[in-house]
Amino acid sequence: DIQITQSPSSLAASVGDRVTITCRAGQSIATYLNWYQQKPGKAPNLLIYGASSLQSGVPSRFSGSGSGTDFTLTISSLQPEDFATYYCQQTYSTPHTFGQGTKLEIK
Amino acid sequence: QVQLVQSGAEVKEPGASVKLSCEATGYTFTSHEIHWVRQAPGQGFEWMGKIIASGGSAGYAQKFRGRLTMTRDTSSSTVYMDLSSLRSEDTAVYYCARMVVTARSPPHFDTWGQGTLVTVSS
Repeated sequence: DIQITQSPSSLAASVGDRVTITCRAGQSIATYLNWYQQKPGKAPNLLIYGASSLQSGVPSRFSGSGSGTDFTLTISSLQPEDFATYYCQQTYSTPHTFGQGTKLEIK
Repeated sequence: QVQLVQSGAEVKEPGASVKLSCEATGYTFTSHEIHWVRQAPGQGFEWMGKIIASGGSAGYAQKFRGRLTMTRDTSSSTVYMDLSSLRSEDTAVYYCARMVVTARSPPHFDTWGQGTLVTVSS
């Protein structure tokens, strides 16, 4: 199984801040890395697929980068609705493992 | 619009089985795989397996082999997930998700069901 290490596990930030979340894969996964946002009691929502492609309808303040083993999700200017938990996932091979999540909280 | 609608919450005793459904609407059912992922309370996600809607073949995570079965009914555009020999550790929200695979982008889950809470308790 491909292990995905996500960091940090939690992050406190303010509206308007730029934040970065990282995921590291245990082996190269090319760009087979997706990012999801989850709010309490809700299903995940796809933000970024293929490491850097913005899903339709997702605000442009979200961006993704990376390839191989190291990946980054960046939120350029935090909005109140962005406080949630973020997960990365690899779809290079099954099982399609997820990172442990990053809970983004208001400072 | 594309939607996945899941069946309602279940409460089961240890050792029992549970069968969840996931009805797909708004797209050609046989064009996409459906995957199942679960989330234990306060935890992250665990990928369980997938079914190819066109042919019906399924693949499961090693952890669940022997007690997990996925099937589909093309006439109703519904996928079913049957998990047997339930234990307390199976208490979780179970999600179905549609996988999108194109020539231009790596696979990703673009649509998720609303989730079904399964509680295993005596």
